Amino acid sequence: EAGVAQSPRYKIIEKRQSVAFWCNPISGHATLYWYQQILGQGPKLLIQFQNNGVVDDSQLPKDRFSAERLKGVDSTLKIQPAKLEDSAVYLCASSTRGTGVPEAFFGQGTRLTVV
Amino acid sequence: AQSVSQHNHHVILSEAASLELGCNYSYGGTVNLFWYVQYPGQHLQLLLKYFSGDPLVKGIKGFEAEFIKSKFSFNLRKPSVQWSDTAEYFCAMRLEGQNFVFGPGTRLSVLP
Repeated sequence: EAGVAQSPRYKIIEKRQSVAFWCNPISGHATLYWYQQILGQGPKLLIQFQNNGVVDDSQLPKDRFSAERLKGVDSTLKIQPAKLEDSAVYLCASSTRGTGVPEAFFGQGTRLTVV
Repeated sequence: AQSVSQHNHHVILSEAASLELGCNYSYGGTVNLFWYVQYPGQHLQLLLKYFSGDPLVKGIKGFEAEFIKSKFSFNLRKPSVQWSDTAEYFCAMRLEGQNFVFGPGTRLSVLP
């Protein structure tokens, strides 16, 4: 099956600019996650969607970050305005709601550098 | 709040050495536990997972992990590592219906 697709792979922007990332999950996966992975750390959840509804956005810095998942399929994550500390890899993952223990499938990530 | 800790930041081994990476989680109830691996330049991939039953779980590429509930641990093991096992390893936990909480990761370097 096709994996989780993310674009772009790399992005360099200046602080205070805006940026958007796109994610297309595995077909049929109802749950979609956005994680932020700062160099040397484990992924940290930004937001979790179930279909097109938000399940958990408690760790999303809502003054600058926003995300949507229209129609319950692909998703975009936006940062506006960006800060230096937003430099990180942004990972998208998806999982099913099936029986057993659904694992998360990850995309390649978008490496963001804010200068 | 739920959290995952990993004992080692960086482990260096020679080929054929045995590997054990420590992982502890903090949550008093039922959890699902995972080990993910990230090879250089690649995406996170699942090595193995535990949700119930036999506490010794076997995964891909000869890896296994043991769930010890009394110690809140889920350590990853491999009897003989190869150079190709060089990667970053992440332990993660998940409560039902919720997100995955990851540990900080352990970087494994295997010397040929």
